[in-house]
Amino acid sequence: DTAVSQTPKYLVTQMGNDKSIKCEQNLGHDTMYWYKQDSKKFLKIMFSYNNKELIINETVPNRFSPKSPDKAHLNLHINSLELGDSAVYFCASSQAGTSGLGQETQYFGPGTRLLVL
Amino acid sequence: KQEVTQIPAALSVPEGENLVLNCSFTDSAIYNLQWFRQDPGKGLTSLLLIQSSQREQTSGRLNASLDKSSGRSTLYIAASQPGDSATYLCAVNDYKLSFGAGTTVTVRA
Repeated sequence: DTAVSQTPKYLVTQMGNDKSIKCEQNLGHDTMYWYKQDSKKFLKIMFSYNNKELIINETVPNRFSPKSPDKAHLNLHINSLELGDSAVYFCASSQAGTSGLGQETQYFGPGTRLLVL
Repeated sequence: KQEVTQIPAALSVPEGENLVLNCSFTDSAIYNLQWFRQDPGKGLTSLLLIQSSQREQTSGRLNASLDKSSGRSTLYIAASQPGDSATYLCAVNDYKLSFGAGTTVTVRA
C-alpha cells in the first residue's frame, strides 16, 4: 500500500488555467506538507498543515491555496497558472513529535510534474 | 535564515569504494537533520534521521554523523554499489525542512 500518494502524476496545462493536485497519506500522521522542486532540483517548503490547521506558509503567491479536508488529505489548488509554476510538487507527511512540530521523519509522495505552456 | 550547502555537487566512484558526502548548515538551532535519496524522476526516500542530541546514526552500510556546534553532517556509504547511484539530499529541521542542493552520485560497475 502506498504511504503518501499524489494525483495526478503529470499535469500539462496552459497559462491562465486553474488546476488542483491531490495528496493522501495512510500513515496516520497529523502533519502534511507541500514542497516545490524547481528546474535546478532545489526543494523548498511551501505549506505545512497540522491537524487541518495551516502552520507554515512560506511566502507563496496567494494564487496557491492549500486545503485540508481532514488529517489524511492535503490538496493544492493553483489559480491563474504561470510559466514559472512549472516544477515538481511533492507532498509529504510526518508525526508532529513529542517536543514540537516536524521533529519526526518526513515521508514523501512520488511528486506531480507540472508543465505550464 | 537557514542555508544548507552540500559538497561535492557530483561524485563518480568505482564500485566498492566508500562514499563520503558532506552537508553544512548555518544555524545550529535545529531539531534534527535528515538524509534523503532521490532517484531520477522519483520522490524522496528517507535514509537516516539524526536528532540534535545525537552524534550519529547507522543503517546497514549507511552511517551519518552530526556535529551541531560546527554546523556539519557527513553521510558515509560503505562499499558502494551501482544501485547506490542517485542524488542524496541533506535537510535540516529548525521547525521546517531546509534542503541542500544535493550530491549526485554515480557508482561505476
